[in-house]
Amino acid sequence: EAQLLESGGDLVHPGGSLRLSCAASGFTFNQYTMGWVRQAPGKGLEWVSDINNNGAATYYEDSVKGRFTISRDNSKNTLSLQMNSLTAEDTAIYYCVRAGRLSWYDYWGRGTLVTVSS
Amino acid sequence: DIQMTQSPSSLSASVGDRVTITCRANQGIRNYLAWYQQKPGKIPNLLIYDASTLYSGVPSRFSGSGSGTDFTLTISSLQPDDVAIYYCQKYDDAPLTFGGGTKVEIK
Repeated sequence: EAQLLESGGDLVHPGGSLRLSCAASGFTFNQYTMGWVRQAPGKGLEWVSDINNNGAATYYEDSVKGRFTISRDNSKNTLSLQMNSLTAEDTAIYYCVRAGRLSWYDYWGRGTLVTVSS
Repeated sequence: DIQMTQSPSSLSASVGDRVTITCRANQGIRNYLAWYQQKPGKIPNLLIYDASTLYSGVPSRFSGSGSGTDFTLTISSLQPDDVAIYYCQKYDDAPLTFGGGTKVEIK
């Protein structure tokens, strides 16, 4: 069965940077679009970014465009999210997700917590 | 960008009741809509995709319908295990917006 394991969440100061990783296993990674979804404490789900199976196409939510970069390494079955210029509004649990045939998400990781605070 | 509005934001119903949750897009999204269930303290789980296709392993009391701008998630007979927040998500094009969620409780 597919498994996704996020890492890299931490406490960071406003304006700082952080890199999240997601290790995928149990499926043929290079055949799937992957993405990140976040959830602020006590709030709803917010889509952040998607990347297609070969990394050629990337998509971002407006508030993270220019600050976040999604990437993947298909040789290592790893998805990454580089986050720069972080603000308190980026505080959330970040979930790594696998997309089905289209961008509905059939597998979710357990999430990694990013806290932006001084 | 297309906005997704769910209603109600919360509801309380009795075990065995029929429960309906609505998700409305302010522009047409064909049938590119998914529903997720997030139980307290857990990660979200996919229930329905393509507006009406039940994901593998999801109980048949869940069903989805709609196309264009108006969609519904129905629980035919509410069970205690269905206590959760339910989210819709559009995936016709980026941004892949989620609805605000509907909290379902047992009366």
